[in-house]
Amino acid sequence: EVQLVESGGGLVQPGGSLRLSCAASGFTFSSYAMSWVRQAPGKGLEWVSAISGSGGSTYYADSVKGRFTISRDNSKNTLYLQMNSLRAEDTAVYYCAKDLGDIVVVAGDYWGQGTLVTVSS
Amino acid sequence: SYVLTQPPSVSVAPGKTARITCGGNNIGSKSVHWYQQKPGQAPVLVIYYDSDRPSGIPERFSGSNSGNTATLTISRVEAGDEADYYCQVWDSSSDQGVFGGGTKLTVL
Repeated sequence: EVQLVESGGGLVQPGGSLRLSCAASGFTFSSYAMSWVRQAPGKGLEWVSAISGSGGSTYYADSVKGRFTISRDNSKNTLYLQMNSLRAEDTAVYYCAKDLGDIVVVAGDYWGQGTLVTVSS
Repeated sequence: SYVLTQPPSVSVAPGKTARITCGGNNIGSKSVHWYQQKPGQAPVLVIYYDSDRPSGIPERFSGSNSGNTATLTISRVEAGDEADYYCQVWDSSSDQGVFGGGTKLTVL
């Protein structure tokens, strides 16, 4: 059974940093691209970042480019999102999602339960 | 950047057919994926690559994509289909994922 479990969310002050993790199980992690998608309270889905199965290709939304870094450790079956210079508008539930294959198309066939990030003083 | 436009809301009576559109410039040249999201839950993929259904998704859900509009069609709508629906594409020109604003489906 495919499982994705996010962790690392919480309350952080503006300008602060946070690292999210997504522990994957039930599939060959290194064979699939992965994405982070967020949802601000009461708002729609927003794609944040994606990474290929090997980790060799990474992609970012303009809203987070230069502040967020996506990475993965295929030996630990874990996806990460390092978030720096956080702003109030980054407040959201952050989901990790498994893609359909190694190439990034952001067709998430499995999603985690999400972790809430709140940026506030 | 690429923009996807969805109607904010669609209403349909039980047993009828719901059609949710997703507009984008020459979207027919892209692969469209559709998600269903119920309150407090993570999104669920219901259609991928324009018209393919993941296992476990009822045949009542179908998709099409041509020109400037992609459409998610839900036949014989049930109360349990009430949810927010999002379309999504990968924009290869900018190497970014794009979601539509979402459509709230109300079953009357």
